[in-house]
Amino acid sequence: NAGVTQTPKFRVLKTGQSMTLLCAQDMNHEYMYWYRQDPGMGLRLIHYSVGEGTTAKGEVPDGYNVSRLKKQNFLLGLESAAPSQTSVYFCASRPMGQAEGETQYFGPGTRLLVL
Amino acid sequence: GQNIDQPTEMTATEGAIVQINCTYQTSGFNGLFWYQQHAGEAPTFLSYNVLDGLEEKGRFSSFLSRSKGYSYLLLKELQMKDSASYLCAVSTSGTYKYIFGTGTRLKVLA
Repeated sequence: NAGVTQTPKFRVLKTGQSMTLLCAQDMNHEYMYWYRQDPGMGLRLIHYSVGEGTTAKGEVPDGYNVSRLKKQNFLLGLESAAPSQTSVYFCASRPMGQAEGETQYFGPGTRLLVL
Repeated sequence: GQNIDQPTEMTATEGAIVQINCTYQTSGFNGLFWYQQHAGEAPTFLSYNVLDGLEEKGRFSSFLSRSKGYSYLLLKELQMKDSASYLCAVSTSGTYKYIFGTGTRLKVLA
Protein backbone atom coordinates (compact mmCIF):
# COMPACT_ATOMS: atom_id res chain seq x y z
CA ASN A 1 0.00 0.00 0.00
CA ALA A 2 1.94 3.00 -1.30
CA GLY A 3 -0.65 5.63 -0.30
CA VAL A 4 -0.36 8.77 -2.43
CA THR A 5 2.55 9.03 -4.85
CA GLN A 6 3.62 11.90 -7.08
CA THR A 7 5.72 11.97 -10.23
CA PRO A 8 8.17 13.61 -10.76
CA LYS A 9 9.77 14.63 -7.47
CA PHE A 10 11.62 17.55 -8.99
CA ARG A 11 11.57 19.32 -12.34
CA VAL A 12 13.12 22.37 -13.95
CA LEU A 13 11.23 24.01 -16.82
CA LYS A 14 11.87 26.94 -19.06
CA THR A 15 9.22 29.61 -19.42
CA GLY A 16 6.64 28.52 -21.96
CA GLN A 17 7.28 24.80 -21.67
CA SER A 18 4.52 22.42 -20.74
CA MET A 19 4.44 19.49 -18.34
CA THR A 20 2.10 17.15 -16.50
CA LEU A 21 2.34 16.20 -12.85
CA LEU A 22 0.95 12.80 -11.97
CA CYS A 23 -0.72 11.89 -8.70
CA ALA A 24 -1.69 8.30 -7.97
CA GLN A 25 -3.42 6.79 -4.93
CA ASP A 26 -4.11 3.15 -4.13
CA MET A 27 -6.60 3.72 -1.30
CA ASN A 28 -9.70 3.83 -3.50
CA HIS A 29 -10.38 7.40 -2.41
CA GLU A 30 -13.09 9.39 -4.16
CA TYR A 31 -11.74 12.87 -3.56
CA MET A 32 -8.43 14.16 -4.85
CA TYR A 33 -6.81 17.58 -4.60
CA TRP A 34 -3.93 19.57 -6.03
CA TYR A 35 -2.33 22.27 -3.87
CA ARG A 36 0.60 24.56 -4.28
CA GLN A 37 2.69 25.71 -1.33
CA ASP A 38 4.73 28.89 -1.43
CA PRO A 39 6.71 30.51 1.39
CA GLY A 40 4.43 32.54 3.64
CA MET A 41 1.32 31.54 1.67
CA GLY A 42 0.36 28.18 3.10
CA LEU A 43 -1.35 25.52 1.03
CA ARG A 44 -3.61 26.89 -1.70
CA LEU A 45 -6.07 24.73 -3.59
CA ILE A 46 -5.59 24.67 -7.36
CA HIS A 47 -8.17 22.11 -8.53
CA TYR A 48 -9.97 19.20 -6.98
CA SER A 49 -12.05 16.21 -8.01
CA VAL A 50 -14.93 14.49 -6.23
CA GLY A 51 -14.92 11.46 -8.47
CA GLU A 52 -13.76 9.90 -11.71
CA GLY A 53 -14.50 12.18 -14.64
CA THR A 54 -15.29 15.24 -12.51
CA THR A 55 -13.08 18.21 -11.67
CA ALA A 56 -13.61 21.65 -10.17
CA LYS A 57 -11.65 24.85 -9.70
CA GLY A 58 -10.09 25.76 -6.40
CA GLU A 59 -8.66 29.00 -5.14
CA VAL A 60 -5.85 29.49 -7.70
CA PRO A 61 -6.76 27.59 -10.92
CA ASP A 62 -5.41 29.98 -13.56
CA GLY A 63 -2.63 28.51 -15.69
CA TYR A 64 -3.45 24.92 -14.72
CA ASN A 65 -5.66 22.19 -16.07
CA VAL A 66 -6.55 18.83 -14.56
CA SER A 67 -8.00 15.50 -15.55
CA ARG A 68 -9.37 12.52 -13.60
CA LEU A 69 -9.85 9.82 -16.21
CA LYS A 70 -9.23 7.04 -13.72
CA LYS A 71 -10.27 7.04 -10.09
CA GLN A 72 -6.76 6.43 -8.85
CA ASN A 73 -5.04 9.12 -10.92
CA PHE A 74 -5.28 12.92 -10.88
CA LEU A 75 -3.18 14.80 -13.42
CA LEU A 76 -2.16 18.45 -13.17
CA GLY A 77 -1.08 20.14 -16.39
CA LEU A 78 0.80 23.33 -17.04
CA GLU A 79 0.31 24.32 -20.66
CA SER A 80 2.75 27.22 -20.73
CA ALA A 81 4.83 27.45 -17.58
CA ALA A 82 5.59 30.82 -16.02
CA PRO A 83 8.12 31.73 -13.29
CA SER A 84 5.16 32.48 -10.98
CA GLN A 85 4.39 28.76 -11.07
CA THR A 86 7.63 27.93 -9.31
CA SER A 87 6.37 26.17 -6.21
CA VAL A 88 6.01 22.90 -4.36
CA TYR A 89 2.95 21.00 -5.51
CA PHE A 90 1.16 18.57 -3.22
CA CYS A 91 -1.50 16.11 -4.18
CA ALA A 92 -3.91 14.78 -1.56
CA SER A 93 -6.76 12.33 -1.41
CA ARG A 94 -9.50 11.40 1.03
CA PRO A 95 -12.39 8.94 1.17
CA MET A 96 -15.97 9.91 0.44
CA GLY A 97 -18.25 10.95 3.26
CA GLN A 98 -18.05 13.20 6.25
CA ALA A 99 -16.99 10.65 8.83
CA GLU A 100 -15.42 12.15 11.87
CA GLY A 101 -11.73 12.74 11.50
CA GLU A 102 -11.73 12.09 7.78
CA THR A 103 -8.49 13.73 6.87
CA GLN A 104 -6.66 14.14 3.62
CA TYR A 105 -3.59 12.04 2.88
CA PHE A 106 -0.80 13.91 1.15
CA GLY A 107 1.73 12.82 -1.44
CA PRO A 108 5.43 13.65 -0.97
CA GLY A 109 5.30 16.71 -3.21
CA THR A 110 6.79 17.85 -6.52
CA ARG A 111 9.26 20.73 -6.54
CA LEU A 112 8.93 22.74 -9.73
CA LEU A 113 11.33 25.47 -10.80
CA VAL A 114 10.41 27.59 -13.82
CA LEU A 115 13.25 29.65 -15.25
CA GLY B 1 -14.40 36.16 3.13
CA GLN B 2 -12.64 33.10 4.42
CA ASN B 3 -9.62 33.48 6.58
CA ILE B 4 -7.47 31.45 8.94
CA ASP B 5 -4.86 33.14 11.13
CA GLN B 6 -1.91 31.58 12.92
CA PRO B 7 1.30 33.06 14.32
CA THR B 8 4.13 32.87 11.82
CA GLU B 9 6.81 31.60 14.14
CA MET B 10 7.26 30.40 17.72
CA THR B 11 10.25 29.28 19.75
CA ALA B 12 10.24 27.01 22.79
CA THR B 13 12.65 24.99 24.86
CA GLU B 14 13.00 21.22 24.90
CA GLY B 15 10.80 19.72 27.61
CA ALA B 16 8.49 22.74 27.76
CA ILE B 17 4.85 23.17 26.73
CA VAL B 18 3.81 25.31 23.77
CA GLN B 19 0.38 26.43 22.58
CA ILE B 20 -0.21 27.33 18.93
CA ASN B 21 -3.35 29.32 18.30
CA CYS B 22 -5.58 29.39 15.25
CA THR B 23 -8.54 31.66 14.57
CA TYR B 24 -10.83 31.18 11.62
CA GLN B 25 -13.63 32.85 9.74
CA THR B 26 -15.17 30.56 7.15
CA SER B 27 -18.49 30.18 5.35
CA GLY B 28 -19.60 26.98 7.02
CA PHE B 29 -17.68 24.66 9.30
CA ASN B 30 -17.33 20.91 9.20
CA GLY B 31 -14.28 20.36 11.34
CA LEU B 32 -10.82 21.68 12.09
CA PHE B 33 -7.61 19.80 11.42
CA TRP B 34 -4.05 20.21 12.60
CA TYR B 35 -1.16 18.95 10.51
CA GLN B 36 2.56 18.74 11.15
CA GLN B 37 4.96 19.45 8.31
CA HIS B 38 8.70 18.98 8.57
CA ALA B 39 10.85 20.97 6.16
CA GLY B 40 10.83 19.43 2.70
CA GLU B 41 8.16 16.90 3.58
CA ALA B 42 4.40 16.49 3.18
CA PRO B 43 1.91 17.50 5.88
CA THR B 44 0.88 14.67 8.20
CA PHE B 45 -2.35 14.52 10.18
CA LEU B 46 -2.20 15.31 13.90
CA SER B 47 -5.71 15.95 15.15
CA TYR B 48 -9.32 16.71 14.31
CA ASN B 49 -11.98 18.67 16.20
CA VAL B 50 -15.59 19.07 15.18
CA LEU B 51 -17.23 19.62 18.59
CA ASP B 52 -16.21 22.12 21.25
CA GLY B 53 -13.68 20.92 23.74
CA LEU B 54 -10.34 19.27 24.09
CA GLU B 55 -9.08 16.22 22.20
CA GLU B 56 -5.97 14.58 23.64
CA LYS B 57 -3.55 12.32 21.80
CA GLY B 58 -0.45 11.55 23.79
CA ARG B 59 1.76 14.64 23.96
CA PHE B 60 -0.53 16.53 21.59
CA SER B 61 -3.91 18.06 22.43
CA SER B 62 -6.23 20.22 20.36
CA PHE B 63 -9.01 22.49 21.53
CA LEU B 64 -11.93 23.99 19.66
CA SER B 65 -14.43 26.74 20.39
CA ARG B 66 -16.83 27.07 17.46
CA SER B 67 -18.60 30.13 18.88
CA LYS B 68 -15.28 31.99 19.03
CA GLY B 69 -13.85 30.59 15.81
CA TYR B 70 -10.80 29.52 17.78
CA SER B 71 -8.61 26.50 18.16
CA TYR B 72 -5.26 25.72 19.69
CA LEU B 73 -2.75 22.91 19.47
CA LEU B 74 -0.94 22.11 22.69
CA LEU B 75 2.37 20.29 22.58
CA LYS B 76 3.75 18.95 25.86
CA GLU B 77 7.21 17.67 26.78
CA LEU B 78 8.66 19.21 23.67
CA GLN B 79 11.31 17.26 21.81
CA MET B 80 13.78 18.43 19.19
CA LYS B 81 11.91 16.42 16.57
CA ASP B 82 8.84 18.63 17.16
CA SER B 83 10.62 21.42 15.28
CA ALA B 84 8.33 21.74 12.27
CA SER B 85 5.53 23.81 10.80
CA TYR B 86 2.03 23.29 12.18
CA LEU B 87 -0.86 23.90 9.82
CA CYS B 88 -4.41 24.67 10.86
CA ALA B 89 -7.09 23.76 8.30
CA VAL B 90 -10.87 24.03 8.24
CA SER B 91 -13.17 21.72 6.34
CA THR B 92 -16.03 23.84 5.05
CA SER B 93 -19.52 22.41 5.16
CA GLY B 94 -21.32 21.84 1.89
CA THR B 95 -18.09 21.58 -0.03
CA TYR B 96 -15.31 19.07 -0.24
CA LYS B 97 -12.64 21.64 0.32
CA TYR B 98 -10.22 22.58 3.07
CA ILE B 99 -8.90 26.03 3.82
CA PHE B 100 -5.41 26.19 5.26
CA GLY B 101 -3.72 28.76 7.42
CA THR B 102 -0.21 29.84 6.49
CA GLY B 103 1.29 27.64 9.19
CA THR B 104 3.29 28.25 12.35
CA ARG B 105 6.97 27.39 12.29
CA LEU B 106 8.00 26.02 15.68
CA LYS B 107 11.65 25.93 16.70
CA VAL B 108 12.54 23.78 19.67
CA LEU B 109 15.81 24.77 21.33
CA ALA B 110 17.99 22.55 23.46
